Amino acid sequence: EVQLVESGGGLVQPGGSLRLSCAASGFTVSSNYMSWVRQAPGKGLEWVSVIYSGGSTYYADSVKGRFTISRHNSKNTLYLQMNSLRAEDTAVYYCARVVLYSSGYYYYYMDVWGKGTTVTVSS
Amino acid sequence: DIQMTQSPSSLSASVGDRVTITCRASQSISSYLNWYQQKPGKAPKLLIYAASSLQSGVPSRFSGSGSGTDFTLTISSLQPEDFATYYCQQSYSTPIFTFGPGTKVDIK
Repeated sequence: EVQLVESGGGLVQPGGSLRLSCAASGFTVSSNYMSWVRQAPGKGLEWVSVIYSGGSTYYADSVKGRFTISRHNSKNTLYLQMNSLRAEDTAVYYCARVVLYSSGYYYYYMDVWGKGTTVTVSS
Repeated sequence: DIQMTQSPSSLSASVGDRVTITCRASQSISSYLNWYQQKPGKAPKLLIYAASSLQSGVPSRFSGSGSGTDFTLTISSLQPEDFATYYCQQSYSTPIFTFGPGTKVDIK
């Protein structure tokens, strides 16, 4: 079964750090694009970061320079290192697999999602 | 940056109703548009990709249409399990994925 399971969330003080993990089963993380998406309490979905199968990484402007996406191939796990955390980073963080669909053009979509892990930034 | 808007922001409907949700992009995104359903406390679920392709396992009462800047998600006959929030997402500017603000569908 294809599955993603996030962990590592918790309560952290402003300015602190946290590392989220996303363990995959049923497919290979390093062969896919993988992304993090977050949702602040009562708000909509916000794309955070993506890592390509080739290793290139990209970030939303709101987290650029503070967050780092990475993966451990042998553990088949995706990570999000979050530094200099702010109150506005409080959210449920989801990892998702990004799939490429080709029909002459290249379409990307997120087909598998984890259940999320909650990050609370507060003093 | 591409901005996404959705209308309405919320709607009330009855079981069996035909429901239409609109998503608009701030510039043309061809057919690079996906739709997700999210229920309270749950992860989003992919419904439609590439504007009109139905994800495997998704009921055929869901359909998507549109291209360029204007897109529509239609539920042909609303079922009790369809009460949820629906989000559009553009993938034209990949690696940047932008979501719309969401449309909440609740029971009339």
